[in-house]
Amino acid sequence: NAGVTQTPKFQVLKTGQSMTLQCAQDMNHEYMSWYRQDPGMGLRLIHYSVGAGITDQGEVPNGYNVSRSTTEDFPLRLLSAAPSQTSVYFCASSRRLASYNEQFFGPGTRLTVL
Amino acid sequence: GQQLNQSPQSMFIQEGEDVSMNCTSSSIFNTWLWYKQDPGEGPVLLIALYKAGELTSNGRLTAQFGITRKDSFLNISASIPSDVGIYFCAGPGGTSYGKLTFGQGTILTVHP
Repeated sequence: NAGVTQTPKFQVLKTGQSMTLQCAQDMNHEYMSWYRQDPGMGLRLIHYSVGAGITDQGEVPNGYNVSRSTTEDFPLRLLSAAPSQTSVYFCASSRRLASYNEQFFGPGTRLTVL
Repeated sequence: GQQLNQSPQSMFIQEGEDVSMNCTSSSIFNTWLWYKQDPGEGPVLLIALYKAGELTSNGRLTAQFGITRKDSFLNISASIPSDVGIYFCAGPGGTSYGKLTFGQGTILTVHP
């Protein structure tokens, strides 16, 4: 199994540009989440999904959209990038049952918005 | 919302020393998780705790679920250079499945 994969690994955008961060998992996990990591602030939840067709907002959802059309994929869209969105983005997945909190993380996407 | 306070924020130790770090919550948790993040990588789960008072080991790592259910502790014995990284505590971020709240992290540096 590849686990959780994320693309791209690095990205530089100009203010106002849009892009999609890709996330895929091959573990048949029901739950998938997006976090952003900023220095000294740990990881903060952006959006999450409990299954295909179901998404919900996390702690810091503004400026980001998500959709979950398949179990495997959970893309994160930035519609109009802002410098405040410069961060490292992690996708995570987990099983639905007893160990639902034991999330597996991807390697991250390092995004810079100029 | 729920908040986790992790301490210390950073540690500089010599190889072979033991390490202790802790995490406190503003509310009761029914799960505590400890993750490690290597430089340039995503966090990796080290230990999961599900019961108050539980003590769980993973090699040189030992974690405890506090009796009050508002705190947790992680100890690393006989540290080695590859222990370098950021250690995060985490707990359920509300009643919805799949949501995690993370502490700010403890940055560990080990000098050979």
